[in-house]
Amino acid sequence: QSALTQPPSASGSPGQSVTISCTGTSSDVGGYNYVSWYQQHPGKAPKLIIYEVSKWPSGVPDRFSGSKSGNTASLTVSGLQAEDEADYYCSSYAGSNNLVFGTGTKVTVL
Amino acid sequence: QLQLQESGPGLVKPSETLSLTCTVSGGSISRSSYYWGWIRQPPGKGLDWIGNIYYSGSTYYNPSLKSRVTISVDTSKNQFSLKLSSVTAADTAVYYCARLYYYDNSAYKYYFDYWGQGTLVTVSS
Repeated sequence: QSALTQPPSASGSPGQSVTISCTGTSSDVGGYNYVSWYQQHPGKAPKLIIYEVSKWPSGVPDRFSGSKSGNTASLTVSGLQAEDEADYYCSSYAGSNNLVFGTGTKVTVL
Repeated sequence: QLQLQESGPGLVKPSETLSLTCTVSGGSISRSSYYWGWIRQPPGKGLDWIGNIYYSGSTYYNPSLKSRVTISVDTSKNQFSLKLSSVTAADTAVYYCARLYYYDNSAYKYYFDYWGQGTLVTVSS
């Protein structure tokens, strides 16, 4: 299984929105609604921010939203804040109890 | 609050076996809705799923690592462990343990909701 494809970087000014794509295949992203997104600050463990494509864990602000169309999932961060500057990774179920992560996107708040 | 903590040697020689343990506190490893997983992250690179284990011992491994990976569980100690054999410099990474929410109320889940802080393992002679 190959890593899901994400853009290496994305940026926006405070208050703006940024959208990150996560492209897979019909065997992973396109085949299941088990896409999750993780935020990782430098030197820290990843933190779950979206699960099952578009659901929020408790405590995660609704500025983070997820969606999916075909083989591509997307994470949108609205109302960018300085603390949103981090690396973001998508993950998808890939069948036969396999999981795959995305290549990661570094979000910069200008 | 559930907590996971990785432990094990920070330096492993090439061709030897990497061994790590994850200790779970604040909750039972034997709960039916969860698998327990290992994920690694080479320095400056992305996340790589290694494999998962259920409290019963059922395992699933990344096909690219399957020949070298063994994950085991000790429910009496609320721990699960990773062994990676024949390591090379390419196995140098931060290794994370995490809980995979797998199934609940007749629905599958498949996301990691709790993570350990991670431990750096360097492969070098």
